[in-house]
Amino acid sequence: ETGVTQTPRHLVMGMTNKKSLKCEQHLGHNAMYWYKQSAKKPLELMFVYNFKEQTENNSVPSRFSPECPNSSHLFLHLHTLQPEDSALYLCASSQTGLEADTQYFGPGTRLTVL
Amino acid sequence: EDQVTQSPEALRLQEGESSSLNCSYTVSGLRGLFWYRQDPGKGPEFLFTLYSAGEEKEKERLKATLTKKESFLHITAPKPEDSATYLCAVQARIQGAQKLVFGQGTRLTINP
Repeated sequence: ETGVTQTPRHLVMGMTNKKSLKCEQHLGHNAMYWYKQSAKKPLELMFVYNFKEQTENNSVPSRFSPECPNSSHLFLHLHTLQPEDSALYLCASSQTGLEADTQYFGPGTRLTVL
Repeated sequence: EDQVTQSPEALRLQEGESSSLNCSYTVSGLRGLFWYRQDPGKGPEFLFTLYSAGEEKEKERLKATLTKKESFLHITAPKPEDSATYLCAVQARIQGAQKLVFGQGTRLTINP
């Protein structure tokens, strides 16, 4: 595997379900990110982890819970979501999370909440 | 408030018809401006980083330029495979943290 991978690629869940999204980067980076991409809206930053420490939580509802066990893996745990949470969830990584650090994206997980 | 605005929202060109996409930004403390390409159902693919006004970068049929208020992505003699959404993002220091602020993108369609 190369670059940034995400699983699953597609997920359909009910509002009472609990599911998790997984991201893995094979680039030797130390910073990882979760973004949300909704139709007709710009990418929205959700969370940032730098060297496994959460450095940013962009006012995300608590029904989204991130986990970063090491610099290569990032999870997004989902519970009691709302239909408006349906979107493409993108994971990205960068070398250090510092200034002008290029972020590389995974293919995304298309989430549908019924 | 830091903002990135891309225009036009959508652009249709004939194969070989050159044009430019615009990215205007208002941000304090610009650290870098990024261009990405995104195909339907896929994640953004990195194209360029520009750091200072006057800088230019090229890759195949694409050329990115930067001024103090905007960036242009020039596409020369495009081919159908250049069809995609092109995203612009600026990295800025907001409340002490580095953040990437994205525009809404320009959806480019190249007709054969």
